[in-house]
Amino acid sequence: KNEVEQSPQNLTAQEGEFITINCSYSVGISALHWLQQHPGGGIVSLFMLSSGKKKHGRLIATINIQEKHSSLHITASHPRDSAVYICATTGGGSNYKLTFGKGTLLTVNP
Amino acid sequence: NAGVTQTPKFQVLKTGQSMTLQCAQDMNHNSMYWYRQDPGMGLRLIYYSASEGTTDKGEVPNGYNVSRLNKREFSLRLESAAPSQTSVYFCASRSRGQVFTYEQYFGPGTRLTVT
Repeated sequence: KNEVEQSPQNLTAQEGEFITINCSYSVGISALHWLQQHPGGGIVSLFMLSSGKKKHGRLIATINIQEKHSSLHITASHPRDSAVYICATTGGGSNYKLTFGKGTLLTVNP
Repeated sequence: NAGVTQTPKFQVLKTGQSMTLQCAQDMNHNSMYWYRQDPGMGLRLIYYSASEGTTDKGEVPNGYNVSRLNKREFSLRLESAAPSQTSVYFCASRSRGQVFTYEQYFGPGTRLTVT
């Protein structure tokens, strides 16, 4: 069974700082997802990747398949980036279901 | 496109009452999912439907039933609500194509309180 671990659980930063959130998983997967959830809000898919790196604006996601590890980076963080960031994987026994990490609560102070 | 819609947005039930959470998607997706989200637990899968006409249990199916009414709609029923079912419920859907293009789309959530 795949286990998905995220670190840190909580992260507080000052506006403008470079942020890194980490995700590790225990078995081979087909794809890894990064999701964002604002307080009291819905869940939005940021990235889905199976290798290498993807960039969208100030957000960058990388994955190292050999090390079973992914990182989400936020450059020039802003208070509107404050949210819970969730890592999830597809595969590892089922391509229909996602396995979720518990999330990282990011707070960016002005 | 409205994407994934859920009703109701909020609901308060008394222990023992029943209710059905409705979910619909207009993206012609094959797979649909029901999750619950509790503090410190992350998202947990209750039931899913890989395609129209099929449903399967997830991690935490006890106390719930589902119906895949058609390709668009997937409902979740609580037959006899318990305080342990107080949670935020999310419906999601995803296309069935190449494995590497499986992006999942979430509804806005239903906040359920059972007293």
